Amino acid sequence: SQELEQSPQSLIVQEGKNLTINCTSSKTLYGLYWYKQKYGEGLIFLMMLQKGGEEKSHEKITAKLDEKKQQSSLHITASQPSHAGIYLCGADMRYGSSNTGKLIFGQGTTLQVKP
Amino acid sequence: DTGVSQNPRHKITKRGQNVTFRCDPISEHNRLYWYRQTLGQGPEFLTYFQNEAQLEKSRLLSDRFSAERPKGSFSTLEIQRTEQGDSAMYLCASSFPTGGYTFGSGTRLTVV
Repeated sequence: SQELEQSPQSLIVQEGKNLTINCTSSKTLYGLYWYKQKYGEGLIFLMMLQKGGEEKSHEKITAKLDEKKQQSSLHITASQPSHAGIYLCGADMRYGSSNTGKLIFGQGTTLQVKP
Repeated sequence: DTGVSQNPRHKITKRGQNVTFRCDPISEHNRLYWYRQTLGQGPEFLTYFQNEAQLEKSRLLSDRFSAERPKGSFSTLEIQRTEQGDSAMYLCASSFPTGGYTFGSGTRLTVV
C-alpha cells in the first residue's frame, strides 16, 4: 500500500523566514494535494499537483512535484503568523494499482511562526 | 451551497453511549468520504460512498461503526457503544469522481 512521510514533523520559524516542508511517497504519485489545518478545524485546500515537474504558487506558498513523482515540497516565503498551522499532504488513490477513490494522508507538519 | 457542512461541531458522550454525526456534502458532488483524525496524526480513511452506494470500508471501521447515505445526499456516521479510543475528530469530505476533495469543519468527539 502507498504511504506518505512528511518532514519535518514540526517546525518553529521566526517571522519573515523561508521554510520548506517535504512529502515523500513510497510509490508514484498520480495526484498530490496540500491542505492546511488550524487546530480543531477542518482542512483548507491549498494546491493540487499531478504532473511530474509541476509547480504551483498561491500568494507566498509554492508547491512542487518532482520529476519522478514520488516527492513533493511546500515552500513558504517570508513566513507570517497567519501561516501557522498543520500542513498535510494527501495522495490521490484514484489512479495506479489501487484505483480507489480516496486520499491518504501524511502525518502532518505543525508550523509555528514567532512574531 | 457554501461547502461541506458537519453537525454537531462538538460532542461529549459517556462511554457506552451511541452517537450519530451528520454530513451534508456539496450538492453537485456524488462522492462522500469519512475520515478520523487523532491528535498529531493525519486523517485516516474510514469509508466512502458514490451516490448511495458504500464502495469501500477501512479495517478501522469496526462493527460498532456504521455509515449511511440514503438517497445519495447527506450521510450519517453512527458509533455504537462508544469507547474512549473513539475520541477523535471525524471529518467528512465530498468530491466529483474526478477529484477535487472538499472537507467539512469536522465533528470533535470526546468520550468520557
